[in-house]
Amino acid sequence: DIVMTQSPFSLAVSEGEMVTINCKSSQSLLSSGNQKNYLAWYQQKPGQSPKLLIYYASTRQSGVPDRFIGSGSGTDFTLTISDVQAEDLADYYCLQHYSYPYTFGAGTKLELK
Amino acid sequence: QVQLKESGPGLVQPSQTLSLTCTVSGFSLTSYNVHWVRQPPGKGLEWMGRMRYNGDTSYNSALKSRLSISRDTSKNQVFLKMNSLQTDDTGTYYCTRFTTEAPHYFDYWGQGVMVTVSS
Repeated sequence: DIVMTQSPFSLAVSEGEMVTINCKSSQSLLSSGNQKNYLAWYQQKPGQSPKLLIYYASTRQSGVPDRFIGSGSGTDFTLTISDVQAEDLADYYCLQHYSYPYTFGAGTKLELK
Repeated sequence: QVQLKESGPGLVQPSQTLSLTCTVSGFSLTSYNVHWVRQPPGKGLEWMGRMRYNGDTSYNSALKSRLSISRDTSKNQVFLKMNSLQTDDTGTYYCTRFTTEAPHYFDYWGQGVMVTVSS
């Protein structure tokens, strides 16, 4: 199974700050066929289902604010949130769908400082 | 519009079997994959398994011996059955749709159903 190591576990931020969340996979998520990284980022607010933010490591889902930026390739990935807003306070998860079983990172809780 | 809705018992006794139903609308089960994901209270997401559009299944290796996913396409329903439940199976269970054509991702989720394993 591919292990997804996500860090940090939690982050305390003030509005307007920039934050970085990291996700490292135990093997490459880069498909040789289409050169896409099978890595997605999801946001989950309390009491809600997860919401897709980023797919293929760096493509922002329609309607997602451009302050959410995904980057990385192979085994190392990053979600950057610039100019954090109060509405961004949530849990964030990376997910690999390169191979079964799909695996999530442990999650990062973004809290207000 | 696309919708997924989980249903099932809120309380299950230890050692018993959990049976959940995901009822979908707005798309066909023969065109999309449906996955199950669960989340213990206050903890992270765990992928459980999936029903492929063609009827194939895949399971989390840690749950494989206890888990079964099936479907009834005529009723637009996907079923999850998991036996030998323990207290650490308590959590919210989600069904979610995975796109079959690029780009690939979970695009729609159910609201989730809370399951408590307790005597």
